[in-house]
Order: sequence, then structure tokens, then C-alpha cells
Amino acid sequence: EVQLVESGGGLVQPGGSLRLSCAASGFTFSSFSMNWVRQAPGKGLEWVAYISTISDIIDYADSVKGRFTISRENGKNSLYLQMNDLRDGDTAVYYCARDRVFDYWGQGTLVTVSS
Amino acid sequence: QSVLTQPPSASGTPGQRVTISCSGSRSNIGSNIVNWYQQLPGTAPKLFIHGNDQRPSGVPDRFSGSKSGTSASLAISGLQSEDEAVYYCAVWDESLNEGVFGGGTKLTVL
Repeated sequence: EVQLVESGGGLVQPGGSLRLSCAASGFTFSSFSMNWVRQAPGKGLEWVAYISTISDIIDYADSVKGRFTISRENGKNSLYLQMNDLRDGDTAVYYCARDRVFDYWGQGTLVTVSS
Repeated sequence: QSVLTQPPSASGTPGQRVTISCSGSRSNIGSNIVNWYQQLPGTAPKLFIHGNDQRPSGVPDRFSGSKSGTSASLAISGLQSEDEAVYYCAVWDESLNEGVFGGGTKLTVL
């Protein structure tokens, strides 16, 4: 069974940093590209970042470019999102999602940016 | 404002057929495959239609997807109370290498 489990969310002040993790199991992690998608409270889905299987292709939404960094460790079946210079508008539930089809999602981790 | 346009709400009574639209442009829907997701309250989104019109295993055949030109649709026939959820369309824009979502449509079963 495919499982994606996010962790690392929490309350952080504006300008602060946070690192999210996504632990994958039930499939060959190294064979799939991965994404981070977020959802602000009461709002829709927003794609955040993409990483290819061997990390040679990485892309970001304009809203996070230069502040967020996506990475992965295939040997640990793990995906990460380093978030720096956090802003109020980054408050959201962050999901990791498999492949460009977003065929499997984690349960999400809540990031709250507030002073 | 989302790149893909969906009506914010839709409704129907049990047993009815409901259609949710997703409108885009030649650069997104017109050039890429459309997928649909169901999000029940308080849960993560779930893939419901992929490849424009393909249902993953476990998704009832009451759900069907279609695409024509720069628009796509999700149809739900024989509406049931358990279908009450928010539905999102999305494409992977191959030229920009980024995901693009619709704003979501909240389906209410009256």
C-alpha cells in the first residue's frame, strides 16, 4: 500500500524557517517524481514544487521561488521542503504528492506563519 | 485566481446527474492531460479521474471525465450523499513543468 507521511509543520514567526519531510513507503520511491502542494485555510490547492527521480529537474511556483528548496534522499525514501523567509501567505496545509499525476497524497502537515 | 476556471459550487438531488466544468486555454488544458481530484472535508485530495477520462480502481463508474479543446468536464450520475465534496481539476503543464489546479467546485447533495 502506497503511503506518504508528512511531518515538520508547526507555528513559525514571519521571516522564520521550517523543514518539512515526507516519508514514502509501499512503492519504489526512486522511480517516481514528487511534488509539494499546499492548501491555505478554506482555499484551493496550489502546486508548490517538483523534483524529478534523480533530482536533476527541479521547479518551483513563482510564489516560493528563491525561498523554498525541494530535495529528496532516495536511499531514505524521503522528500523534503526547506522553507525560508516564511510569510503570512505561506500558512497552509502542505501535502506531498506522487508523480505529475498527483496520484497519491499524504495526509498533510500544517504550517502556520504568525507573530 | 486560478489558471483553470471551475464554478465555485454545484448541487443536485440524489439520483440526479451533475456536471462540473473546468475551463482553461490552449497552453494548459488544450495541450495537456486533465486529472480530477475529490477532497472530502478534512481529508487529503484523492485522484478520481486521470488521463482525461480514466478511473483509478475503486472509483465508482458513476464518475466520468471528458475533455474537448480547452475545456474538461467531470460528470457524476446517480448522485449519492457520499459524493458531497470539493472537486478539483488539474493539469501538468509540460511546457512550464508545473502543476496547475482549478479553484475547486463544492458539490452539495440536496
